[in-house]
Amino acid sequence: GAVVSQHPSWVICKSGTSVKIECRSLDFQATTMFWYRQFPKQSLMLMATSNEGSKATYEQGVEKDKFLINHASLTLSTLTVTSAHPEDSSFYICSASSRSGLAETSTDTQYFGPGTRLTVL
Amino acid sequence: GEDVEQSLFLSVREGDSSVINCTYTDSSSTYLYWYKQEPGAGLQLLTYIFSNMDMKQDQRLTVLLNKKDKHLSLRIADTQTGDSAIYFCAEGARWGGADGLTFGKGTHLIIQP
Repeated sequence: GAVVSQHPSWVICKSGTSVKIECRSLDFQATTMFWYRQFPKQSLMLMATSNEGSKATYEQGVEKDKFLINHASLTLSTLTVTSAHPEDSSFYICSASSRSGLAETSTDTQYFGPGTRLTVL
Repeated sequence: GEDVEQSLFLSVREGDSSVINCTYTDSSSTYLYWYKQEPGAGLQLLTYIFSNMDMKQDQRLTVLLNKKDKHLSLRIADTQTGDSAIYFCAEGARWGGADGLTFGKGTHLIIQP
């Protein structure tokens, strides 16, 4: 099956610094990537949707200047948490899909990465 | 906004059936999914059901959908220790690749020997 990796798997940083998280589709081209955030004992919350070569679409309440998303290639999307603060500590999960949702096929689904645990001190 | 609710824990004996329940509020949900998350791994799509279906069976997995009550369930027959994981219910308006999904908080399935 399709594999999505994330790097790093965990990161600890000081308040005020910026952190970059990478999401890679290893064996397929991802035209769309999604970024989710999961707080302890909470559900995954969609932060933004990015299409390769386009600006990301952010969900309501997510600051686009704080969470910078770049989807420059069909296999890589990055999420940069700028000027991180303790309240940004969370589990960040990306997913990738290779289709636009037009057809129900086995490949037309979201494949999830293992997540990145961010702790801001 | 849309909401998906699940109970946080379910404990069953090995060999018994597990039934994980989920309720959702968005009436425009077209696809409903069950994902499995094991420690250190990404969410794995287990199965899904389209909103015009009542039931779907795939080997040990049976999904039941009551659209009127907006209730979804996942039954795992003959539960094994390898089924121990967190199970997420999710919904989306379009087939999975196009839109972000709305997830429940996940149900921890605990298997007793």
